[in-house]
Amino acid sequence: EAGVVQSPRYKIIEKKQPVAFWCNPISGHNTLYWYRQNLGQGPELLIRYENEEAVDDSQLPKDRFSAERLKGVDSTLKIQPAELGDSAVYLCASSSSRGRGEQFFGPGTRLTVL
Amino acid sequence: SQQGEEDPQALSIQEGENATMNCSYKTSINNLQWYRQNSGRGLVHLILIRSNEREKHSGRLRVTLDTSKKSSSLLITASRAADTASYFCATLHTNAGKSTFGDGTTLTVKP
Repeated sequence: EAGVVQSPRYKIIEKKQPVAFWCNPISGHNTLYWYRQNLGQGPELLIRYENEEAVDDSQLPKDRFSAERLKGVDSTLKIQPAELGDSAVYLCASSSSRGRGEQFFGPGTRLTVL
Repeated sequence: SQQGEEDPQALSIQEGENATMNCSYKTSINNLQWYRQNSGRGLVHLILIRSNEREKHSGRLRVTLDTSKKSSSLLITASRAADTASYFCATLHTNAGKSTFGDGTTLTVKP
């Protein structure tokens, strides 16, 4: 069974530029999460999808961040425009409603904003 | 702010020794999970303990949960150099439907 796939693995951009991250969850997992992880800290939830519906986006900075999960499978997280403070690792995870809440994480995208 | 808090922030031990990490949380939970993260990688689920359970084992891992103290501990026995990683607890909250992660314990196992 393939794991959670994320791309790109690394991204370096200049501030004010746009950037997008892509995530393909484990097949059959209806819940998808986007987290941001700063150095030395734990993951912080940005948005959670149940199928194609965003059920928790309270921590998503909506002035510059947007996300979508078309057809309830793949998801894209976008930042426009990026700021220096957005440098972090962006993690995608998925889980199954038939499970007990275990989340399966992708390798993350390390974003550096210069 | 994060719900769970791990203690200690960093732990360094010799191979073969046991490692104990603690997690404290604030509000009622459905379950608590422990994850491991190797440098530059995503998190890997280790073990889940439900709110009505007190102890759980998986291989060299032993997790305890004390809901009266709102705390959990992860014990890794007979540690190996390959156990070097950051360990995070995540609490699934009763009413929120989402997990919240602490800032982790960085474990270094010296060969």
